[in-house]
Amino acid sequence: DIQMTQSPATLSASVGDRVTITCRASQSIGIWLAWYQQKPGKAPKVLIYKASTLGSEVPSRFSGSGSETEFTLIIRSLQPDDFATYFCQQYHSPSYTFGQGTRLEIK
Amino acid sequence: EVQLVESGGGLVQPGGSLKLSCAASGFTFSGSAMHWVRQASGKGLEWVARIRTHVSSYATLYSASVKGRFFISRDDSSDTAYLQLNSLTTEDTAVYYCARGVFGEFPLGYWGHGTLVTVSS
Repeated sequence: DIQMTQSPATLSASVGDRVTITCRASQSIGIWLAWYQQKPGKAPKVLIYKASTLGSEVPSRFSGSGSETEFTLIIRSLQPDDFATYFCQQYHSPSYTFGQGTRLEIK
Repeated sequence: EVQLVESGGGLVQPGGSLKLSCAASGFTFSGSAMHWVRQASGKGLEWVARIRTHVSSYATLYSASVKGRFFISRDDSSDTAYLQLNSLTTEDTAVYYCARGVFGEFPLGYWGHGTLVTVSS
């Protein structure tokens, strides 16, 4: 199975900050990567798919980039609603593995 | 509006079985592959299983951790997906979500609220 290594595990930031979350795949996955946001007690919500395509109704302050094995999620100008946990997922091949998650907390 | 509603979770003893249901509405269920994803408390997400449509002969796929113990199925006449959980261990304790893709199988753009399975003696 492809392993997805996400970093950092926890990120402290302030409203208005720009933050970067990284996801590394153990082998090439092309651009078959999605980013999800999850809030406590809720199901995940897709933010980005095919590495850089913004999901429906997702604010433009979210952006994704990368290919093959290195991917990043950038959130520009953090808003209070953005403090949540973020996961990457590869859907290149089974078992469609997720990263361990990055908890974005208010500094 | 797409809706996915899971049910069937609960407390079960190690070695026991449980069958989860996912009632779908708001889209053409028979034309959509369906997935189950689980999440242990305070932990990350784990993709569990997928079932394709009748066009793909209802092909199924499982993660290594559940293969041979869990079985995914669907009933297109009632717009419901199922996950049969057998030989449960404490490691299977989690919230189980059903999900479907936004375009094709991925990304997972529609999720249910989840149903909690607790395996404990």
